[in-house]
Amino acid sequence: DAGVTQSPTHLIKTRGQQVTLRCSPKSGHDTVSWYQQALGQGPQFIFQYYEEEERQRGNFPDRFSGHQFPNYSSELNVNALLLGDSALYLCASSLEPNTEAFFGQGTRLTVV
Amino acid sequence: KNQVEQSPQSLIILEGKNCTLQCNYTVSPFSNLRWYKQDTGRGPVSLTIMTFSENTKSNGRYTATLDADTKQSSLHITASQLSDSASYICVVRGKGGGNKLTFGTGTQLKVEL
Repeated sequence: DAGVTQSPTHLIKTRGQQVTLRCSPKSGHDTVSWYQQALGQGPQFIFQYYEEEERQRGNFPDRFSGHQFPNYSSELNVNALLLGDSALYLCASSLEPNTEAFFGQGTRLTVV
Repeated sequence: KNQVEQSPQSLIILEGKNCTLQCNYTVSPFSNLRWYKQDTGRGPVSLTIMTFSENTKSNGRYTATLDADTKQSSLHITASQLSDSASYICVVRGKGGGNKLTFGTGTQLKVEL
C-alpha cells in the first residue's frame, strides 16, 4: 500500500500564475482533505472532498478550488498566486469524512 | 472559537533525556485528540489517539495523557533519540458541526548529542 501520495514534491511559481497540486489517497479511502501549512505553523484546513463534491471549506478565498475524480484522487488549484501562498500543502485521506486522516508528504510551493 | 494551544513552542534536550509537551484545547464538544509527529518538510504521522474516556495511551517511548475535565493533554517522550527531532502537533476533533479537526501550532523538538 503506497499510502497517500502527492505530486509534485516541490514547485516554484511566479506571482499571478496558477498552480495545480495532485493527491492520490490511501487505498480504500474515499475522502480527501487539503491543508496549507506555513512555516512554523500548524496546518490550516482548506477544504474536503467526498463523493466528488466539496463537503466542507475553511476560510480560504475562491482562488483556491479543487476537484475529486471518480477514482477518489484529488486536485488543488490556486489561481493568481500571491507571495503569501508559499507553504507546504498537505493532502490527507480517510475512509469517510470523520475517520482517521492519513497525510501525504506534502508539496512545497514557493511563490517568487 | 475552538482553539488548540501547545507549549513550549520549541525545546532542546540532550539525547537520552525525557521531555513532556503540553496541549490545552477549548474544542467542545470533543470527539478525540491525536498527537502527530511531523518531520521537517514531511506530512504528519499519527502517534496516539485518545477519546473522552481514555486518560493514557502509549506507543513505544511515547506516552500521551488526557484530562478531558481540564481539557489538557500531554505527550511524554522517554529516553529521547536524535530521530525524535521533529514538530509534535496536537490535533483535536470536534463532535458535530462537521467534526472538524483543529490543529495546534506544534512544539519544535530538537534532540542533541
